[in-house]
Amino acid sequence: DTGVSQNPRHKITKRGQNVTFRCDPISEHNRLYWYRQTLGQGPEFLTYFQNEAQLEKSRLLSDRFSAERPKGSFSTLEIQRTEQGDSAMYLCASSYGTDFANNEQFFGPGTRLTVL
Amino acid sequence: EDQVTQSPEALRLQEGESSSLNCSYTVSGLRGLFWYRQDPGKGPEFLFTLYSAGEEKEKERLKATLTKKESFLHITAPKPEDSATYLCAVQASGTYKYIFGTGTRLKVLA
Repeated sequence: DTGVSQNPRHKITKRGQNVTFRCDPISEHNRLYWYRQTLGQGPEFLTYFQNEAQLEKSRLLSDRFSAERPKGSFSTLEIQRTEQGDSAMYLCASSYGTDFANNEQFFGPGTRLTVL
Repeated sequence: EDQVTQSPEALRLQEGESSSLNCSYTVSGLRGLFWYRQDPGKGPEFLFTLYSAGEEKEKERLKATLTKKESFLHITAPKPEDSATYLCAVQASGTYKYIFGTGTRLKVLA
Protein backbone atom coordinates (compact mmCIF):
# COMPACT_ATOMS: atom_id res chain seq x y z
CA ASP A 1 0.00 0.00 0.00
CA THR A 2 1.39 3.39 -0.96
CA GLY A 3 -0.43 5.36 1.72
CA VAL A 4 -2.79 8.31 1.38
CA SER A 5 -2.41 10.22 -1.87
CA GLN A 6 -3.63 13.69 -2.77
CA ASN A 7 -3.89 15.47 -6.10
CA PRO A 8 -2.90 17.93 -7.22
CA ARG A 9 0.06 18.67 -4.95
CA HIS A 10 0.01 22.34 -5.84
CA LYS A 11 -2.75 24.57 -7.20
CA ILE A 12 -2.52 28.23 -8.12
CA THR A 13 -5.79 29.94 -8.97
CA LYS A 14 -7.26 33.39 -9.34
CA ARG A 15 -9.70 34.79 -6.83
CA GLY A 16 -13.26 33.85 -7.70
CA GLN A 17 -12.41 30.58 -9.43
CA ASN A 18 -13.58 27.16 -8.25
CA VAL A 19 -11.06 24.46 -7.33
CA THR A 20 -11.41 20.75 -6.56
CA PHE A 21 -8.96 18.52 -4.71
CA ARG A 22 -8.90 14.73 -4.60
CA CYS A 23 -7.89 12.38 -1.81
CA ASP A 24 -7.35 8.63 -2.18
CA PRO A 25 -7.20 7.02 1.27
CA ILE A 26 -5.55 3.75 2.24
CA SER A 27 -7.77 1.13 0.64
CA GLU A 28 -9.25 -0.56 3.71
CA HIS A 29 -9.77 2.65 5.68
CA ASN A 30 -13.40 3.54 6.34
CA ARG A 31 -12.73 6.94 7.92
CA LEU A 32 -11.61 10.03 6.07
CA TYR A 33 -10.84 13.54 7.31
CA TRP A 34 -10.11 16.86 5.64
CA TYR A 35 -8.02 19.54 7.34
CA ARG A 36 -6.68 22.97 6.45
CA GLN A 37 -3.28 24.13 7.68
CA THR A 38 -1.73 27.58 7.42
CA LEU A 39 1.88 28.49 8.16
CA GLY A 40 2.79 28.17 11.82
CA GLN A 41 -0.54 26.61 12.76
CA GLY A 42 -1.72 23.10 13.45
CA PRO A 43 -4.19 21.37 11.14
CA GLU A 44 -7.75 22.72 11.44
CA PHE A 45 -10.55 20.16 11.16
CA LEU A 46 -12.89 20.68 8.19
CA THR A 47 -15.00 17.54 7.83
CA TYR A 48 -15.24 13.80 8.56
CA PHE A 49 -16.60 10.89 6.55
CA GLN A 50 -17.35 7.40 7.76
CA ASN A 51 -17.63 5.33 4.60
CA GLU A 52 -19.75 7.53 2.30
CA ALA A 53 -21.58 9.40 5.06
CA GLN A 54 -20.43 12.89 6.04
CA LEU A 55 -20.91 12.71 9.81
CA GLU A 56 -19.33 15.95 10.97
CA LYS A 57 -18.52 19.33 9.47
CA SER A 58 -16.78 22.27 11.09
CA ARG A 59 -19.09 25.12 12.00
CA LEU A 60 -16.36 27.46 10.80
CA LEU A 61 -16.62 26.03 7.30
CA SER A 62 -18.09 28.44 4.79
CA ASP A 63 -20.91 27.38 2.44
CA ARG A 64 -18.35 27.76 -0.35
CA PHE A 65 -16.72 24.52 0.82
CA SER A 66 -18.22 21.13 0.00
CA ALA A 67 -16.90 17.61 0.23
CA GLU A 68 -18.04 14.25 -1.06
CA ARG A 69 -16.99 10.65 -0.70
CA PRO A 70 -18.99 8.64 -3.22
CA LYS A 71 -19.05 4.89 -2.58
CA GLY A 72 -16.87 5.34 0.47
CA SER A 73 -13.63 5.35 -1.50
CA PHE A 74 -11.89 8.52 -2.71
CA SER A 75 -13.04 11.95 -1.60
CA THR A 76 -13.17 15.38 -3.21
CA LEU A 77 -13.09 18.81 -1.58
CA GLU A 78 -14.42 21.70 -3.65
CA ILE A 79 -13.99 25.38 -2.88
CA GLN A 80 -16.23 27.72 -4.83
CA ARG A 81 -15.49 31.40 -5.50
CA THR A 82 -12.05 31.18 -3.92
CA GLU A 83 -10.76 34.04 -1.77
CA GLN A 84 -7.19 34.94 -0.86
CA GLY A 85 -7.87 33.77 2.69
CA ASP A 86 -8.39 30.25 1.34
CA SER A 87 -4.67 29.97 0.59
CA ALA A 88 -3.41 27.11 2.73
CA MET A 89 -2.30 23.49 2.73
CA TYR A 90 -5.29 21.13 2.51
CA LEU A 91 -4.60 17.80 4.18
CA CYS A 92 -6.48 14.54 3.94
CA ALA A 93 -6.17 11.75 6.50
CA SER A 94 -7.65 8.28 6.75
CA SER A 95 -8.01 5.65 9.42
CA TYR A 96 -9.77 2.39 10.13
CA GLY A 97 -12.01 1.77 13.09
CA THR A 98 -15.31 0.36 14.21
CA ASP A 99 -15.16 2.23 17.48
CA PHE A 100 -13.14 5.08 18.89
CA ALA A 101 -10.41 2.92 20.35
CA ASN A 102 -8.62 2.49 17.02
CA ASN A 103 -8.22 5.87 15.43
CA GLU A 104 -4.62 6.36 14.30
CA GLN A 105 -4.77 8.74 11.36
CA PHE A 106 -2.51 8.50 8.33
CA PHE A 107 -2.04 11.80 6.54
CA GLY A 108 -1.46 12.47 2.87
CA PRO A 109 1.18 14.92 1.60
CA GLY A 110 -1.37 17.71 1.17
CA THR A 111 -2.45 20.06 -1.62
CA ARG A 112 -1.00 23.54 -1.38
CA LEU A 113 -3.48 26.15 -2.64
CA THR A 114 -2.43 29.66 -3.59
CA VAL A 115 -5.17 32.14 -4.45
CA LEU A 116 -3.93 35.21 -6.32
CA GLU B 1 -14.53 25.53 24.53
CA ASP B 2 -12.17 22.64 23.74
CA GLN B 3 -8.60 23.88 23.44
CA VAL B 4 -5.02 22.67 23.05
CA THR B 5 -1.96 24.75 23.94
CA GLN B 6 1.60 23.65 23.21
CA SER B 7 4.81 25.00 24.68
CA PRO B 8 7.41 26.06 23.96
CA GLU B 9 6.70 27.33 20.44
CA ALA B 10 10.29 26.60 19.44
CA LEU B 11 13.14 24.69 21.05
CA ARG B 12 16.81 24.37 20.12
CA LEU B 13 18.78 21.52 21.65
CA GLN B 14 22.28 20.25 21.30
CA GLU B 15 22.58 16.63 20.18
CA GLY B 16 22.21 14.45 23.28
CA GLU B 17 20.51 17.17 25.35
CA SER B 18 17.25 15.69 26.65
CA SER B 19 14.13 17.83 27.08
CA SER B 20 10.33 17.76 27.23
CA LEU B 21 7.56 19.31 25.18
CA ASN B 22 4.26 20.24 26.82
CA CYS B 23 0.68 19.94 25.61
CA SER B 24 -2.02 21.40 27.86
CA TYR B 25 -5.62 20.69 27.00
CA THR B 26 -9.13 21.65 28.00
CA VAL B 27 -11.76 19.28 26.68
CA SER B 28 -15.20 18.15 27.72
CA GLY B 29 -14.46 14.46 28.10
CA LEU B 30 -11.19 13.24 26.61
CA ARG B 31 -11.55 10.42 24.14
CA GLY B 32 -7.87 10.41 23.18
CA LEU B 33 -4.72 12.53 22.98
CA PHE B 34 -2.42 12.16 19.99
CA TRP B 35 1.15 13.15 19.17
CA TYR B 36 2.35 13.68 15.60
CA ARG B 37 5.61 14.67 13.98
CA GLN B 38 5.55 16.95 10.93
CA ASP B 39 8.47 17.61 8.62
CA PRO B 40 8.43 20.74 6.40
CA GLY B 41 6.16 20.39 3.38
CA LYS B 42 4.77 17.02 4.50
CA GLY B 43 1.68 15.75 6.26
CA PRO B 44 1.84 14.86 9.96
CA GLU B 45 3.15 11.42 10.90
CA PHE B 46 1.46 9.58 13.76
CA LEU B 47 3.54 8.89 16.88
CA PHE B 48 1.34 8.00 19.87
CA THR B 49 -2.21 7.74 21.20
CA LEU B 50 -2.91 8.12 24.93
CA TYR B 51 -6.36 7.43 26.35
CA SER B 52 -6.26 7.87 30.12
CA ALA B 53 -4.31 9.66 32.85
CA GLY B 54 -1.23 7.75 33.92
CA GLU B 55 -0.73 6.11 30.54
CA GLU B 56 2.75 6.15 28.96
CA LYS B 57 3.97 5.15 25.50
CA GLU B 58 7.55 4.87 24.19
CA LYS B 59 9.15 4.72 20.78
CA GLU B 60 12.90 4.92 20.32
CA ARG B 61 14.03 8.22 21.91
CA LEU B 62 10.46 9.46 22.50
CA LYS B 63 8.20 8.90 25.47
CA ALA B 64 4.71 10.35 25.86
CA THR B 65 2.88 10.70 29.17
CA LEU B 66 -0.62 11.88 30.07
CA THR B 67 -2.24 13.53 33.10
CA LYS B 68 -5.77 14.90 33.46
CA LYS B 69 -4.71 18.33 32.19
CA GLU B 70 -1.58 17.88 30.10
CA SER B 71 0.71 15.59 28.17
CA PHE B 72 4.47 15.60 27.86
CA LEU B 73 6.63 14.35 25.04
CA HIS B 74 10.03 13.52 26.46
CA ILE B 75 12.95 13.36 24.05
CA THR B 76 15.98 11.49 25.37
CA ALA B 77 19.41 12.10 23.82
CA PRO B 78 17.99 13.65 20.64
CA LYS B 79 19.71 13.46 17.28
CA PRO B 80 19.60 15.98 14.40
CA GLU B 81 17.10 13.76 12.57
CA ASP B 82 14.61 14.39 15.39
CA SER B 83 14.33 17.99 14.18
CA ALA B 84 10.69 18.58 13.18
CA THR B 85 7.48 20.17 14.40
CA TYR B 86 5.72 18.10 17.03
CA LEU B 87 1.94 18.42 17.12
CA CYS B 88 -0.48 17.45 19.85
CA ALA B 89 -4.19 16.82 19.19
CA VAL B 90 -7.21 15.82 21.27
CA GLN B 91 -10.49 14.20 20.44
CA ALA B 92 -13.42 14.92 22.74
CA SER B 93 -16.28 12.61 23.61
CA GLY B 94 -19.31 13.02 21.38
CA THR B 95 -17.39 14.32 18.39
CA TYR B 96 -15.27 12.93 15.59
CA LYS B 97 -13.12 16.00 15.13
CA TYR B 98 -9.54 16.38 16.28
CA ILE B 99 -8.32 19.67 17.76
CA PHE B 100 -4.65 20.36 17.11
CA GLY B 101 -2.26 22.65 18.92
CA THR B 102 0.06 24.98 17.02
CA GLY B 103 3.03 22.69 17.57
CA THR B 104 6.55 22.91 18.93
CA ARG B 105 9.32 23.44 16.36
CA LEU B 106 12.30 21.39 17.51
CA LYS B 107 15.79 21.92 16.14
CA VAL B 108 18.56 19.55 17.25
CA LEU B 109 22.06 20.78 16.53
CA ALA B 110 24.95 18.40 15.82
